[in-house]
Amino acid sequence: KQEVTQIPAALSVPEGENLVLNCSFTDSAIYNLQWFRQDPGKGLTSLLLIQSSQREQTSGRLNASLDKSSGRSTLYIAASQPGDSATYLCAFNNAGNMLTFGGGTRLMVKP
Amino acid sequence: EPEVTQTPSHQVTQMGQEVILRCVPISNHLYFYWYRQILGQKVEFLVSFYNNEISEKSEIFDDQFSVERPDGSNFTLKIRSTKLEDSAMYFCASSRVMNTEAFFGQGTRLTVV
Repeated sequence: KQEVTQIPAALSVPEGENLVLNCSFTDSAIYNLQWFRQDPGKGLTSLLLIQSSQREQTSGRLNASLDKSSGRSTLYIAASQPGDSATYLCAFNNAGNMLTFGGGTRLMVKP
Repeated sequence: EPEVTQTPSHQVTQMGQEVILRCVPISNHLYFYWYRQILGQKVEFLVSFYNNEISEKSEIFDDQFSVERPDGSNFTLKIRSTKLEDSAMYFCASSRVMNTEAFFGQGTRLTVV
């Protein structure tokens, strides 16, 4: 059974800082992984999808990487802004789009 | 931009009552899902639906739960006799085909009292 862990659970940084969020998983037999953003009390916004055959994906200031051999994915946020404050979730698809989610990293970017 | 829409945004129900949560997936998507998130816990998979039948379901999705696509646009989750522990945020999601990007709705917060 896939287990997904995200560290740190919470992170507070000053505006402008580059930061890395970590996600680890136990079962490397994945189809893809997604990074989501969740604002308090809101839905999940898809940020990036990395297929199993890819090593990274970029969208604007976001870059996500995947290393199946080490069971890790990272989300890099460049030049963080207060509007980036949210909870970031990683989720792995092992089969049939049954996503297994991590517990999330709650990010606060201070002006 | 196409999006998954869910109604209602918040529902309060008495324990033992039936509830139906509604979703309109993105129009050209073929796979539909329900997930839930109990307050302070991880998002959990409930069920996936394709070609008018359940394709996968989790242990959580017991006989109290059912899903239906009553027409060409709606996708519903029914909880037959709600329990206090069913209180959670329920998310509907859809994807164009299997193993592609899943898009989530804004969620329905269900409170069972």
